[in-house]
Amino acid sequence: ETGVTQSPTHLIKTRGQQVTLRCSSQSGHNTVSWYQQALGQGPQFIFQYYREEENGRGNFPPRFSGLQFPNYSSELNVNALELDDSALYLCASSTTGVNANTGELFFGEGSRLTVL
Amino acid sequence: AQKITQTQPGMFVQEKEAVTLDCTYDTSDPSYGLFWYKQPSSGEMIFLIYQGSYDQQNATEGRYSLNFQKARKSANLVISASQLGDSAMYFCAMREYQGGTALIFGKGTTLSVSS
Repeated sequence: ETGVTQSPTHLIKTRGQQVTLRCSSQSGHNTVSWYQQALGQGPQFIFQYYREEENGRGNFPPRFSGLQFPNYSSELNVNALELDDSALYLCASSTTGVNANTGELFFGEGSRLTVL
Repeated sequence: AQKITQTQPGMFVQEKEAVTLDCTYDTSDPSYGLFWYKQPSSGEMIFLIYQGSYDQQNATEGRYSLNFQKARKSANLVISASQLGDSAMYFCAMREYQGGTALIFGKGTTLSVSS
């Protein structure tokens, strides 16, 4: 186990609704990133937070937004849900310390979102 | 153009045999890292092995080794003595250290180990 926990594990929403996914990072990790994994695909980078600021973003529209809190936990918010947002959302934590030069990420088990 | 290419959608191997999972990459960044992750049906991505672009020797971690051929831009994962628990999706990923913060993943290879 990586020590990264995500909630909820599964949820179902309808098109147009909003969703908030939560992530607690591994102890000592100050960086959190979010990835979207569609069925049968590899994860795609959404964004990364370091010290409560977004410091990297992939090719996702502004309706995907996030927060990082002083305890380094994080939220991913998606507004105006679309059918294509159905995916596994993975949170990963890392540190600027020992593993910073490798960029190794420690992933949670993900939140599986279904949009109907 | 895809930055990470995994051409094998599925691979089948018997217990105790070795298997190679292919990965090629494309980058102009001289400083990069290559990673392999395992994803069982539970969904969690499990880090297996890392190779830096300046590392002279191929990385090894227990039964996992990475066959790094820089000129060919390939980073194949070799699993020796396969076990039933190795059945999972395997993803190759790259981080470009000058280009950003993200890991770029391939589409993955499903490995099935039979007894």
